[in-house]
Amino acid sequence: AQSVTQLDSQVPVFEEAPVELRCNYSSSVSVYLFWYVQYPNQGLQLLLKYLSGSTLVESINGFEAEFNKSQTSFHLRKPSVHISDTAEYFCAGGDNAGNMLTFGGGTRLMVKP
Amino acid sequence: EADIYQTPRYLVIGTGKKITLECSQTMGHDKMYWYQQDPGMELHLIHYSYGVNSTEKGDLSSESTVSRIRTEHFPLTLESARPSHTSQYLCASSSRAGTEAFFGQGTRLTVV
Repeated sequence: AQSVTQLDSQVPVFEEAPVELRCNYSSSVSVYLFWYVQYPNQGLQLLLKYLSGSTLVESINGFEAEFNKSQTSFHLRKPSVHISDTAEYFCAGGDNAGNMLTFGGGTRLMVKP
Repeated sequence: EADIYQTPRYLVIGTGKKITLECSQTMGHDKMYWYQQDPGMELHLIHYSYGVNSTEKGDLSSESTVSRIRTEHFPLTLESARPSHTSQYLCASSSRAGTEAFFGQGTRLTVV
């Protein structure tokens, strides 16, 4: 079964600074990896996903994540954050073996002016 | 655009009341899930279903029950609500287990 670990529970950062939210996974089968964002009192929204192909995936609002098989990582990055990026971010992993999607514990991104 | 809906969005009820949280999806997904989440905390899977008349308990023990009589509908019921049930409940669905899940907006339940 998969396990997904988000190494930081909170990441404070100043507006317009770069940010990296870390995610590591463990799996012995083919992996699908996802980043979700959750704003206060909302459900989770898919930010980006890796299923196969190019290891670098991008979202429409400037986030990107790179699938690194050798380091079993799928870190989320943004070169310049905005106040509106303040939210909870969840990394999740799945596979093609019929197992349930597994979520990390979440990272709270706090963007300060 | 995901089409999965939860009602109500917010609910405040008294101890001992019976409540049903509704979840519906229009994507024809076989797989549906209920998660419980305390504010700012991780998600805990409490129930899931792989199709009509199929329901299973998740990783976190819960006093709630679920039913799946129709593909699109996956309601969660608490027979007798208690303050310890105060939490946010998130419903999700997917076409296959292990692939992208679509989430509803959540129901924030407060039991007083």
